[in-house]
Amino acid sequence: SQELEQSPQSLIVQEGKNLTINCTSSKTLYGLYWYKQKYGEGLIFLMMLQKGGEEKSHEKITAKLDEKKQQSSLHITASQPSHAGIYLCGAGLSYGGSQGNLIFGKGTKLSVKP
Amino acid sequence: SQTIHQWPATLVQPVGSPLSLECTVEGTSNPNLYWYRQAAGRGLQLLFYSVGIGQISSEVPQNLSASRPQDRQFILSSKKLLLSDSGFYLCAWSRAPPRPVYEQYFGPGTRLTVT
Repeated sequence: SQELEQSPQSLIVQEGKNLTINCTSSKTLYGLYWYKQKYGEGLIFLMMLQKGGEEKSHEKITAKLDEKKQQSSLHITASQPSHAGIYLCGAGLSYGGSQGNLIFGKGTKLSVKP
Repeated sequence: SQTIHQWPATLVQPVGSPLSLECTVEGTSNPNLYWYRQAAGRGLQLLFYSVGIGQISSEVPQNLSASRPQDRQFILSSKKLLLSDSGFYLCAWSRAPPRPVYEQYFGPGTRLTVT
């Protein structure tokens, strides 16, 4: 079955440091979504990427989708304690299929030490 | 703007008892609605999705069921809970096709503990 692999599973960084989280699939993705979740809370939508080579930024977070649309990275610049949480990637499996159903990676737990 | 609500926020239920979780969406019409379960170490698992009133698709066979009695209301139920039903249940909505994919927006979740 189709899976999204996220790496690393967890990450501890010092405040002010940069970090990167990866999301990889063996198949072409139709829509790649990044979410952030704080423990015990719902998912907050961060960004969506659709086109190969696309890159989007929001504040200090940048997400990229590779040309083959099989891998995405989420990069945080100058991390802050407010960036701490679980980052999940989600993706559509087929163009126009399954009514927009997504599959998700298992998440990357980010801790930022002040 | 659109908002999504889930009720209750937390629930502790004994094995064998019934379950009813509610999700409502405001500020949009004819959304696609989704139920997910998030269990420790297993990621986010899609349980049900609905494209309209009375239309439910199940992704994973289990003792849970879903219903959509109104356009913006989605209910997750069980007649008899199992220990394995414990987890964090998330409801989400997205705009309906014809676009191929839409971002999904999630509710605050319900933490279910089956004892």
